[in-house]
Amino acid sequence: KAGVTQTPRYLIKTRGQQVTLSCSPISGHRSVSWYQQTPGQGLQFLFEYFSETQRNKGNFPGRFSGRQFSNSRSEMNVSTLELGDSALYLCASGKDSSTDTQYFGPGTRLTVL
Amino acid sequence: DAKTTQPNSMESNEEEPVHLPCNHSTISGTDYIHWYRQLPSQGPEYVIHGLTSNVNNRMASLAIAEDRKSSTLILHRATLRDAAVYYCILRSPGVIGSGNTGKLIFGQGTTLQVKP
Repeated sequence: KAGVTQTPRYLIKTRGQQVTLSCSPISGHRSVSWYQQTPGQGLQFLFEYFSETQRNKGNFPGRFSGRQFSNSRSEMNVSTLELGDSALYLCASGKDSSTDTQYFGPGTRLTVL
Repeated sequence: DAKTTQPNSMESNEEEPVHLPCNHSTISGTDYIHWYRQLPSQGPEYVIHGLTSNVNNRMASLAIAEDRKSSTLILHRATLRDAAVYYCILRSPGVIGSGNTGKLIFGQGTTLQVKP
C-alpha cells in the first residue's frame, strides 16, 4: 500500500510569511504526528492529531498549528516565519496503539530567507 | 519520558556484525524499547521493538538486558545501505485513545558509518 506522502517536498519562503504543509497518511491510519528536524535540535515532536482532534503537543510556539480532516489527511501551518523555522518537517502516521509502528514520510524541506 | 543514552557514532566494516548499544537506566516496567533509523535524506523508519525478550526480524535483532536497563541492536551483516542514524526510543503503552500514542521522543542517536 502507498506510504505516507508529504507535499510539497521543498519550499522557500521569506521571513514574516506563512506556510502550509500537507501530509497524507497511510490508508487506515488515524493518527498523524508532525516533527521538526534541524541540525542543532535534532528531531522534535510538534503535535499529534487523531480523529480530527489534537491530542498531544510539543513545546513549540503558537505560530505552529495544525489540523486534521475527516479523511485523516493533515496540514501543518506556520505563521510569521522566522529564519529559525528553516528545517525538515516530517509527518508520521500510525494506528492507535502506543506500541505500533510509526511510518514517516520523506519530509518537506522548508527554507526561510 | 524516560531517557536513553547512545554513543554519538560507530564504525563498522561491510559484511561484519554491528552491535549498537543503548542505555535506559530509568526505564519503567511497562516501557517498550523501539529502534528507528534514518537514512540520509529520508524520514526515519522503524527497525524493531521489544519489551523483555530478545526479538528478531528481517532487519535486525534486539537484545534486551535482564534488568532492562540497556539494550543492543544487532545488525548481523552490515551493508553500505545500513549507514544511518539509529535511534533508541522508549514508549509508554498508554491507554488506546489516551493521547500518547503518536509521540516519539528522539535523542541524538548513533551515526553508523559502514566502510567497504
